[in-house]
Amino acid sequence: AQKVTQAQTEISVVEKEDVTLDCVYETRDTTYYLFWYKQPPSGELVFLIRRNSFDEQNEISGRYSWNFQKSTSSFNFTITASQVVDSAVYFCALRGQNFVFGPGTRLSVLP
Amino acid sequence: KAGVTQTPRYLIKTRGQQVTLSCSPISGHRSVSWYQQTPGQGLQFLFEYFSETQRNKGNFPGRFSGRQFSNSRSEMNVSTLELGDSALYLCASSFFQGARGTEAFFGQGTRLTVV
Repeated sequence: AQKVTQAQTEISVVEKEDVTLDCVYETRDTTYYLFWYKQPPSGELVFLIRRNSFDEQNEISGRYSWNFQKSTSSFNFTITASQVVDSAVYFCALRGQNFVFGPGTRLSVLP
Repeated sequence: KAGVTQTPRYLIKTRGQQVTLSCSPISGHRSVSWYQQTPGQGLQFLFEYFSETQRNKGNFPGRFSGRQFSNSRSEMNVSTLELGDSALYLCASSFFQGARGTEAFFGQGTRLTVV
């Protein structure tokens, strides 16, 4: 069975602080994809990043970066210099035939 | 390029009624998936349609059904509504079906309230 765990239910930071969102996943597939989505109050899920199981190279995209470690089944996501507009619920997801989402982490960035 | 459009945005229904939700995918996308989001259960997969055929189904009762039309638009139907069906229903479109690397683009959802 596939499962995604996000242990942090809620996080509050002050603007300009860096924040890391944790994600741990379980799968028996050898090929899989991991995603981070953001859900602002408007409701739609906004795609942020994607990583496949064969590529453990960590990257930075603007203020976003991620740390994929297959050995610990973790796919953590970092926002650098957070902004108030980053306030949202963030979902980590594992994709096989369909998406399996984690429970989400509510991030509040305070001015 | 227009995004995923879901209608209506908000809906209030009475227990026992049925409801139909609509989703128009991004132009050119042929796969449409539906998800239910509730505070207690989080985001759960309902079903996926590709080329007018249901390709994959989540663990939901038969009261939940869907279909896809030749223009890729999709509808989902919930019959005999229960209070527990109150949720945000999200539709996602992808170019491919089941292609594991393809991100899905989500609509803003339909918030269904059953009273």
